[in-house]
Amino acid sequence: GAGVSQSPRYKVAKRGQDVALRCDPISGHVSLFWYQQALGQGPEFLTYFQNEAQLDKSGLPSDRFFAERPEGSVSTLKIQRTQQEDSAVYLCASSRGQQETQYFGPGTRLLVL
Amino acid sequence: TQLLEQSPQFLSIQEGENLTVYCNSSSVFSSLQWYRQEPGEGPVLLVTVVTGGEVKKLKRLTFQFGDARKDSSLHITAAQPGDTGLYLCAGYYNQGGKLIFGQGTELSVKP
Repeated sequence: GAGVSQSPRYKVAKRGQDVALRCDPISGHVSLFWYQQALGQGPEFLTYFQNEAQLDKSGLPSDRFFAERPEGSVSTLKIQRTQQEDSAVYLCASSRGQQETQYFGPGTRLLVL
Repeated sequence: TQLLEQSPQFLSIQEGENLTVYCNSSSVFSSLQWYRQEPGEGPVLLVTVVTGGEVKKLKRLTFQFGDARKDSSLHITAAQPGDTGLYLCAGYYNQGGKLIFGQGTELSVKP
């Protein structure tokens, strides 16, 4: 596609519910990144894939967060047993390579009640 | 502790005024990037500065990379309402793909 797409754009979850956020990167982009952004703050790195390999997951805040990219294209960020502090915008970005320009999707706004 | 400190965090100015946003770190970066983000959208890359002392211009925006590659600034001349948004500086941490962002500067330009 023309850009990075994310779905859903908005998600409201009850505390304790599991959620799955999807990212469709730009076709052919090898690297894929997930970030978490609190309101009015800069994005914070969560995890990074090169093709299907998860090379860095140091930013995942707890073992409730899990990301996968099984075929090296679409990626899913899963949050189990959501908590109120998980409420944020989750941004996905893709790039041609490791330190190439990152192109961001519009984000998924998650609200946990 | 933020690796990249941006200031100011909020800026509200009148159309036509000039402004400068700062991005500072105690660490050396091989390059720094500036992004602009509008509500409901992801950040969009404006510029990458690579060489210490480098100055890049993008229409009314001037970006500078510090000589020691630890800081950068963004100067906007004659700001317009269309410049309103969240401005973010970012740099790569170590050699990996991990991009570190500053807290952002929320700019509001009133007509």
